[in-house]
Amino acid sequence: DVKVTQSSRYLVKRTGEKVFLECVQDMDHENMFWYRQDPGLGLRLIYFSYDVKMKEKGDIPEGYSVSREKKERFSLILESASTNQTSMYLCASSPQRAQGRGYTFGSGTRLTVV
Amino acid sequence: AQRVTQPEKLLSVFKGAPVELKCNYSYSGSPELFWYVQYSRQRLQLLLRHISRESIKGFTADLNKGETSFHLKKPFAQEEDSAMYYCALSQTDKLIFGTGTRLQVFP
Repeated sequence: DVKVTQSSRYLVKRTGEKVFLECVQDMDHENMFWYRQDPGLGLRLIYFSYDVKMKEKGDIPEGYSVSREKKERFSLILESASTNQTSMYLCASSPQRAQGRGYTFGSGTRLTVV
Repeated sequence: AQRVTQPEKLLSVFKGAPVELKCNYSYSGSPELFWYVQYSRQRLQLLLRHISRESIKGFTADLNKGETSFHLKKPFAQEEDSAMYYCALSQTDKLIFGTGTRLQVFP
């Protein structure tokens, strides 16, 4: 029944490492999103994609990049991990022109940068 | 700029008490608003949306354009309602979330 899968539940990385967070959806959704979730700050949008090979910056893109080579997969990349990127990362997908409806979230990846 | 404000970080009530989780928004246009919930160790999931005017698990939320509010209400809280609640605003296909309110319901 799992529809949005994030490859890792927990990750521990060292400062300066390049980190890949993977997200795969099996609902044939056009839209995919990466958020980070922090206590007291809620969910903040990092990057999103409306189509293959297409990406748009969200509210906090600094220090991150993304890749969408296939419709079902949306990767978040931390080029050089820093301790302030320690967070819970949530991936989501939705159909095109859903206007916010039909969002499905993954279970999250808790990243710790030491 | 579009924004969602949830003024309470934590709301604690006893079982059977009424609950109101506050949400205010700023948006130029006709907003579409949602409440999402995250139970312990579970995924974030949609609770309800204003456009469908439904009641889910006893919760309701009415859009008040005059007060730019979308407060979530339940007349009698249950222990299983304990969770993190997020109000969200749709901007085209993106969702803008508030900072969340943790609801604790004590027995």
